[in-house]
Amino acid sequence: ETGVTQSPTHLIKTRGQQVTLRCSSQSGHNTVSWYQQALGQGPQFIFQYYREEENGRGNFPPRFSGLQFPNYSSELNVNALELDDSALYLCASSSTGTAYEQYFGPGTRLTVT
Amino acid sequence: GENVEQHPSTLSVQEGDSAVIKCTYSDSASNYFPWYKQELGKRPQLIIDIRSNVGEKKDQRIAVTLNKTAKHFSLHITETQPEDSAVYFCAASRFGNEKLTFGTGTRLTIIP
Repeated sequence: ETGVTQSPTHLIKTRGQQVTLRCSSQSGHNTVSWYQQALGQGPQFIFQYYREEENGRGNFPPRFSGLQFPNYSSELNVNALELDDSALYLCASSSTGTAYEQYFGPGTRLTVT
Repeated sequence: GENVEQHPSTLSVQEGDSAVIKCTYSDSASNYFPWYKQELGKRPQLIIDIRSNVGEKKDQRIAVTLNKTAKHFSLHITETQPEDSAVYFCAASRFGNEKLTFGTGTRLTIIP
């Protein structure tokens, strides 16, 4: 098991609502990446945070936003939820330098009805 | 942007036999290729990775090979066991811990 944690585990929201998901990175890691995994698909990169700044973004609309805190934990916020936002949201923790590995948290299962 | 294709989508193997999963990538600048194993309802777990300066890497029953010229890499699992049953994802990235582009996954079933 990695030291990456996420909360909540499951979440049910209604279309149009807003949601905040949280991630605590593994000790010693300063970078957090967020991925969306639809059912039966591979994870899709949403964005990455390093030193509290967005450091790369995938093909997701601006209603997906994030934060990183001084302790390297991170939040993913999604506004104006749509049915297609239903997915497993994964965060991955890593460090800069020579270590390339990204370690995933257990994910948050979001269901939008 | 990068595109990673993965084959096959499903694979059934008799216990004790070998399994091979193949991926191709499009971005010649990619230089890091991890493999993840995801069991039902669990997180993707990094099982092995390879960097572009190496052609092959092995860890017990698992090995990965990389052909940069052809832009493809493969996962080899030998002496398969029932606990190897899972979905396997390949991925690629350009630099260090930057964004990973994943393949579509291979559902591996080990038949006892």
